[in-house]
Amino acid sequence: EVQLVESGGGLVQPGGSLRLSCAASGFTFSSYWMSWVRQAPGKELEWVANIKEDGTEKYYVDSVKGRFTISRDNAKNSLYLQMNSLRAEDTAVYYCATGYCNDDNCYAGIFDYWGQGTLVTVSS
Amino acid sequence: EIVLTQSPATLSLSPGERATLSCRASQSVSSYLAWYQHKPGQAPRLLIYDASNRATGIPARFSGSGSGTDFTLTISSLEPEDFAVYYCQQRSSWPPFTFGPGTKVDIK
Repeated sequence: EVQLVESGGGLVQPGGSLRLSCAASGFTFSSYWMSWVRQAPGKELEWVANIKEDGTEKYYVDSVKGRFTISRDNAKNSLYLQMNSLRAEDTAVYYCATGYCNDDNCYAGIFDYWGQGTLVTVSS
Repeated sequence: EIVLTQSPATLSLSPGERATLSCRASQSVSSYLAWYQHKPGQAPRLLIYDASNRATGIPARFSGSGSGTDFTLTISSLEPEDFAVYYCQQRSSWPPFTFGPGTKVDIK
Protein backbone atom coordinates (compact mmCIF):
# COMPACT_ATOMS: atom_id res chain seq x y z
CA GLU A 1 0.00 0.00 0.00
CA VAL A 2 1.31 3.42 -0.97
CA GLN A 3 1.80 5.73 2.00
CA LEU A 4 2.97 9.31 2.11
CA VAL A 5 3.29 10.88 5.55
CA GLU A 6 4.10 14.56 5.87
CA SER A 7 5.58 16.12 8.98
CA GLY A 8 7.27 19.31 10.12
CA GLY A 9 4.40 21.77 9.94
CA GLY A 10 3.58 24.19 12.71
CA LEU A 11 3.32 27.81 13.74
CA VAL A 12 6.13 30.10 12.64
CA GLN A 13 6.60 33.86 12.67
CA PRO A 14 6.84 35.85 9.44
CA GLY A 15 10.41 35.69 8.16
CA GLY A 16 11.00 32.36 9.85
CA SER A 17 11.88 28.94 8.46
CA LEU A 18 10.45 25.44 8.49
CA ARG A 19 11.50 22.15 6.92
CA LEU A 20 8.76 19.79 5.82
CA SER A 21 9.39 16.09 5.34
CA CYS A 22 7.44 13.42 3.50
CA ALA A 23 8.14 9.77 4.28
CA ALA A 24 7.19 7.45 1.43
CA SER A 25 6.55 3.71 1.45
CA GLY A 26 4.81 1.04 -0.60
CA PHE A 27 6.26 2.00 -3.97
CA THR A 28 9.61 2.52 -5.69
CA PHE A 29 10.21 6.08 -4.56
CA SER A 30 13.25 6.59 -6.77
CA SER A 31 11.14 6.02 -9.91
CA TYR A 32 8.72 8.89 -9.36
CA TRP A 33 8.68 12.61 -9.80
CA MET A 34 7.55 14.14 -6.50
CA SER A 35 5.71 17.37 -5.82
CA TRP A 36 4.56 19.61 -3.01
CA VAL A 37 1.06 21.02 -3.39
CA ARG A 38 -0.56 23.39 -0.90
CA GLN A 39 -4.02 24.62 -0.04
CA ALA A 40 -4.49 27.89 1.79
CA PRO A 41 -7.61 28.20 3.97
CA GLY A 42 -10.67 28.49 1.75
CA LYS A 43 -8.59 28.46 -1.40
CA GLU A 44 -7.89 26.07 -4.25
CA LEU A 45 -5.00 23.66 -4.56
CA GLU A 46 -1.71 25.26 -5.64
CA TRP A 47 1.29 23.37 -6.97
CA VAL A 48 4.43 24.58 -5.19
CA ALA A 49 7.43 22.62 -6.46
CA ASN A 50 8.55 19.34 -7.93
CA ILE A 51 11.70 17.28 -8.31
CA LYS A 52 12.75 14.68 -10.82
CA GLU A 53 13.30 11.04 -9.88
CA ASP A 54 17.06 11.47 -9.51
CA GLY A 55 16.93 15.01 -8.12
CA THR A 56 18.60 16.58 -11.14
CA GLU A 57 15.67 18.84 -12.06
CA LYS A 58 13.65 21.05 -9.75
CA TYR A 59 10.88 23.50 -10.55
CA TYR A 60 8.98 26.05 -8.47
CA VAL A 61 5.96 28.30 -8.65
CA ASP A 62 7.10 31.91 -8.97
CA SER A 63 5.78 32.95 -5.55
CA VAL A 64 8.24 30.66 -3.72
CA LYS A 65 11.31 30.89 -5.96
CA GLY A 66 14.39 31.88 -3.99
CA ARG A 67 12.67 31.11 -0.66
CA PHE A 68 11.76 27.40 -0.86
CA THR A 69 14.01 24.48 -1.77
CA ILE A 70 12.77 21.01 -2.66
CA SER A 71 15.05 18.02 -2.19
CA ARG A 72 14.88 14.27 -1.85
CA ASP A 73 16.85 11.37 -0.40
CA ASN A 74 16.11 8.25 -2.37
CA ALA A 75 18.07 6.09 0.08
CA LYS A 76 15.68 7.22 2.82
CA ASN A 77 12.54 7.31 0.62
CA SER A 78 12.01 10.88 1.72
CA LEU A 79 11.04 14.20 0.20
CA TYR A 80 11.74 17.57 1.79
CA LEU A 81 10.72 21.20 1.47
CA GLN A 82 12.93 23.81 3.11
CA MET A 83 10.89 26.97 3.53
CA ASN A 84 12.69 30.23 4.37
CA SER A 85 11.52 33.84 4.63
CA LEU A 86 8.00 32.66 5.30
CA ARG A 87 5.09 35.02 4.73
CA ALA A 88 1.51 35.04 5.94
CA GLU A 89 0.40 34.01 2.46
CA ASP A 90 2.36 30.76 2.81
CA THR A 91 -0.13 29.62 5.44
CA ALA A 92 -1.62 26.40 4.07
CA VAL A 93 -1.88 22.66 4.33
CA TYR A 94 1.09 21.25 2.45
CA TYR A 95 0.70 17.92 0.67
CA CYS A 96 3.34 15.76 -0.91
CA ALA A 97 2.25 13.92 -4.02
CA THR A 98 3.73 11.46 -6.44
CA GLY A 99 3.78 11.73 -10.18
CA TYR A 100 2.21 8.97 -12.24
CA CYS A 101 3.86 5.94 -13.79
CA ASN A 102 2.47 3.35 -16.16
CA ASP A 103 4.20 0.54 -18.03
CA ASP A 104 5.60 2.93 -20.61
CA ASN A 105 6.57 6.12 -18.84
CA CYS A 106 6.48 8.30 -15.77
CA TYR A 107 4.83 11.73 -15.77
CA ALA A 108 5.52 14.70 -13.55
CA GLY A 109 2.20 16.47 -13.86
CA ILE A 110 -0.32 13.82 -12.88
CA PHE A 111 -0.57 13.61 -9.09
CA ASP A 112 -1.38 9.99 -8.37
CA TYR A 113 -0.88 9.50 -4.64
CA TRP A 114 -1.13 12.15 -1.95
CA GLY A 115 -0.36 12.40 1.72
CA GLN A 116 -2.78 13.69 4.35
CA GLY A 117 -0.97 16.99 4.57
CA THR A 118 0.75 19.06 7.24
CA LEU A 119 -0.45 22.50 8.33
CA VAL A 120 1.90 25.46 8.17
CA THR A 121 0.73 28.65 9.87
CA VAL A 122 2.73 31.84 9.44
CA SER A 123 1.64 34.39 12.00
CA SER A 124 3.03 36.67 14.66
CA GLU B 1 0.42 30.64 -16.98
CA ILE B 2 -2.68 28.69 -18.00
CA VAL B 3 -5.75 29.67 -16.00
CA LEU B 4 -8.50 27.13 -15.40
CA THR B 5 -12.07 28.10 -14.59
CA GLN B 6 -14.69 25.70 -13.29
CA SER B 7 -18.45 25.86 -13.35
CA PRO B 8 -20.66 25.82 -11.52
CA ALA B 9 -19.04 26.79 -8.24
CA THR B 10 -21.57 24.67 -6.38
CA LEU B 11 -23.79 21.87 -7.62
CA SER B 12 -26.62 20.77 -5.35
CA LEU B 13 -27.90 17.33 -6.26
CA SER B 14 -29.50 14.27 -4.72
CA PRO B 15 -28.01 10.76 -4.58
CA GLY B 16 -28.72 8.93 -7.80
CA GLU B 17 -28.71 12.07 -9.92
CA ARG B 18 -26.24 12.82 -12.69
CA ALA B 19 -23.53 15.43 -12.07
CA THR B 20 -21.92 17.37 -14.90
CA LEU B 21 -18.92 19.54 -14.01
CA SER B 22 -17.12 21.84 -16.43
CA CYS B 23 -13.55 23.06 -16.68
CA ARG B 24 -12.34 25.63 -19.19
CA ALA B 25 -8.71 26.52 -19.92
CA SER B 26 -7.44 29.97 -20.93
CA GLN B 27 -5.57 28.33 -23.82
CA SER B 28 -5.43 24.86 -25.28
CA VAL B 29 -4.11 22.15 -22.98
CA SER B 30 -4.63 19.43 -25.60
CA SER B 31 -5.82 16.45 -23.54
CA TYR B 32 -3.45 17.09 -20.63
CA LEU B 33 -6.13 17.62 -18.02
CA ALA B 34 -6.80 15.73 -14.80
CA TRP B 35 -9.65 15.69 -12.28
CA TYR B 36 -9.32 15.22 -8.52
CA GLN B 37 -11.81 14.64 -5.73
CA HIS B 38 -11.12 16.29 -2.38
CA LYS B 39 -12.97 15.78 0.88
CA PRO B 40 -12.30 17.85 4.04
CA GLY B 41 -9.42 16.50 6.08
CA GLN B 42 -8.51 13.91 3.47
CA ALA B 43 -5.89 13.59 0.77
CA PRO B 44 -7.00 14.59 -2.72
CA ARG B 45 -7.73 11.62 -4.97
CA LEU B 46 -6.87 11.34 -8.66
CA LEU B 47 -9.99 10.41 -10.66
CA ILE B 48 -9.23 11.08 -14.32
CA TYR B 49 -6.01 11.85 -16.17
CA ASP B 50 -5.39 12.99 -19.71
CA ALA B 51 -9.01 14.08 -20.04
CA SER B 52 -10.68 10.68 -20.20
CA ASN B 53 -8.56 7.98 -18.53
CA ARG B 54 -9.84 6.69 -15.22
CA ALA B 55 -7.17 6.24 -12.58
CA THR B 56 -6.68 2.88 -10.92
CA GLY B 57 -9.62 1.83 -8.78
CA ILE B 58 -11.94 4.65 -9.84
CA PRO B 59 -15.53 3.49 -10.38
CA ALA B 60 -16.99 3.52 -13.87
CA ARG B 61 -19.61 6.10 -12.87
CA PHE B 62 -16.85 8.72 -13.19
CA SER B 63 -16.03 9.72 -16.75
CA GLY B 64 -14.15 12.57 -18.37
CA SER B 65 -14.32 14.11 -21.80
CA GLY B 66 -13.05 17.06 -23.79
CA SER B 67 -9.94 18.43 -25.42
CA GLY B 68 -8.38 21.78 -26.16
CA THR B 69 -10.02 24.26 -23.80
CA ASP B 70 -13.28 22.63 -22.72
CA PHE B 71 -13.59 19.60 -20.47
CA THR B 72 -16.32 17.78 -18.58
CA LEU B 73 -16.36 15.44 -15.61
CA THR B 74 -19.54 13.38 -15.39
CA ILE B 75 -20.70 11.34 -12.43
CA SER B 76 -23.46 9.19 -13.87
CA SER B 77 -25.31 8.44 -10.63
CA LEU B 78 -24.19 10.12 -7.42
CA GLU B 79 -23.36 7.91 -4.48
CA PRO B 80 -23.33 9.34 -0.93
CA GLU B 81 -19.52 9.22 -0.88
CA ASP B 82 -19.27 11.38 -4.02
CA PHE B 83 -20.24 14.62 -2.29
CA ALA B 84 -16.96 16.54 -2.28
CA VAL B 85 -15.02 19.26 -4.06
CA TYR B 86 -13.72 18.47 -7.55
CA TYR B 87 -10.70 20.18 -9.08
CA CYS B 88 -9.36 20.13 -12.62
CA GLN B 89 -5.62 20.53 -13.25
CA GLN B 90 -3.50 20.97 -16.37
CA ARG B 91 -0.04 19.65 -17.20
CA SER B 92 0.21 20.96 -20.74
CA SER B 93 2.38 23.97 -19.98
CA TRP B 94 4.52 24.03 -16.87
CA PRO B 95 5.87 25.24 -14.60
CA PRO B 96 3.54 25.91 -13.06
CA PHE B 97 0.99 23.16 -13.05
CA THR B 98 -2.31 24.89 -12.36
CA PHE B 99 -5.57 23.89 -10.75
CA GLY B 100 -9.05 25.27 -11.19
CA PRO B 101 -10.96 26.87 -8.30
CA GLY B 102 -13.08 23.76 -7.75
CA THR B 103 -16.73 22.73 -7.93
CA LYS B 104 -18.42 21.70 -4.71
CA VAL B 105 -20.98 18.93 -5.13
CA ASP B 106 -23.27 19.01 -2.14
CA ILE B 107 -26.40 17.23 -1.10
CA LYS B 108 -29.65 18.88 -2.12
